[in-house]
Amino acid sequence: GQQVMQIPQYQHVQEGEDFTTYCNSSTTLSNIQWYKQRPGGHPVFLIQLVKSGEVKKQKRLTFQFGEAKKNSSLHITATQTTDVGTYFCAGVLMTTDSWGKFQFGAGTQVVVTP
Amino acid sequence: SQTIHQWPATLVQPVGSPLSLECTVEGTSNPNLYWYRQAAGRGLQLLFYSVGIGQISSEVPQNLSASRPQDRQFILSSKKLLLSDSGFYLCAWTQDTNQPQHFGDGTRLSIL
Repeated sequence: GQQVMQIPQYQHVQEGEDFTTYCNSSTTLSNIQWYKQRPGGHPVFLIQLVKSGEVKKQKRLTFQFGEAKKNSSLHITATQTTDVGTYFCAGVLMTTDSWGKFQFGAGTQVVVTP
Repeated sequence: SQTIHQWPATLVQPVGSPLSLECTVEGTSNPNLYWYRQAAGRGLQLLFYSVGIGQISSEVPQNLSASRPQDRQFILSSKKLLLSDSGFYLCAWTQDTNQPQHFGDGTRLSIL
């Protein structure tokens, strides 16, 4: 079954508001990456988190990696219409049979209302 | 710089027909290569990945297969397509799992 869960599946946001999407793994992750996919496009890499408790910021986006390296979050402040798209987390599992592969969450589809 | 090429961009195929999607990477050597499928409005399902020539790991048992005849070439095939094979197919590469994945533009496959 799916080992990386992502919530919520959909997020309707008023322009200017904040929102958070969460990613949870049933097993410890070696690292986690976040991607953004615009409608009709392909996923584009945003950021990678490696260390326990790591926090990284990209302008209005704040990414966190949990202390146990099993969960992560993406927080967007002052949402803009350019934030529309689907945000995916992708974890690299720390299991011997998972070497070389990424486990993607189902994604959070973000719709922004002007 | 590295680039990834995936073709065709769109494809309409009848049920029972064969399939061949090709992906090539330029500007790097010995990349990890991946095939994903994405149903409309859904997440990415890993189909196959390869860490070297001739090394293919299958994630989902189905009527698809993958091959890596050259270091930077990854091919997704089927002998007989099913209606359920419709979707958006994405190829990706990375140097290792501590590096970002870079995706091709994808192939939209419709089965009639």
